[in-house]
Amino acid sequence: AQSVAQPEDQVNVAEGNPLTVKCTYSVSGNPYLFWYVQYPNRGLQFLLKYITGDNLVKGSYGFEAEFNKSQTSFHLKKPSALVSDSALYFCAVRDYRETYNTNAGKSTFGDGTTLTVKP
Amino acid sequence: DGGITQSPKYLFRKEGQNVTLSCEQNLNHDAMYWYRQDPGQGLRLIYYSQIVNDFQKGDIAEGYSVSREKKESFPLTVTSAQKNPTAFYLCASLRTGWSHTEAFFGQGTRLTVV
Repeated sequence: AQSVAQPEDQVNVAEGNPLTVKCTYSVSGNPYLFWYVQYPNRGLQFLLKYITGDNLVKGSYGFEAEFNKSQTSFHLKKPSALVSDSALYFCAVRDYRETYNTNAGKSTFGDGTTLTVKP
Repeated sequence: DGGITQSPKYLFRKEGQNVTLSCEQNLNHDAMYWYRQDPGQGLRLIYYSQIVNDFQKGDIAEGYSVSREKKESFPLTVTSAQKNPTAFYLCASLRTGWSHTEAFFGQGTRLTVV
């Protein structure tokens, strides 16, 4: 079984400050990890993913995430927050082994973290 | 433009009625998914389909039904048996066999029971 935890329902930061949105995961095999962003009444948009290789992954809109295998974490970060970054952020995990069985592509999502960036 | 389209954006249903939510994609993706989103509960998987004419129950399938007669289309019916259908529904698609790729989402349908 796979699971994702986003321990913070809400993160508040001031514009220009760095931001971190936390995510921890649990899978039996190797993880594929994803971050998505959702604006009000819209679908989810892909931000970035970790598949293999460098632990620091860079994505859209200046976001990056760091994969930490020992801590089973994949925290989303941005060096300088913008008011327009305010949205709902979801972390998702997929087990690498699902490539080879009939459930390929079934992801588990966290409950989401609302990021508010104040001017 | 390739993408995934959900319609309608807003839907109102009377209690006891069935309603069908549309999801169409022109990305040539094999796999399609339906999620339900409630405040504070993230996304919960209702049904998914890996290939045409095949679909599987997700975590909360009771009160819902789907069909996958065409690769491009994966409609979701919310039946009268679904006790609390008011929610935001999201459809997504993915290339099967490429599980390292990200999912593409539609813009969602907000269903309200009146």
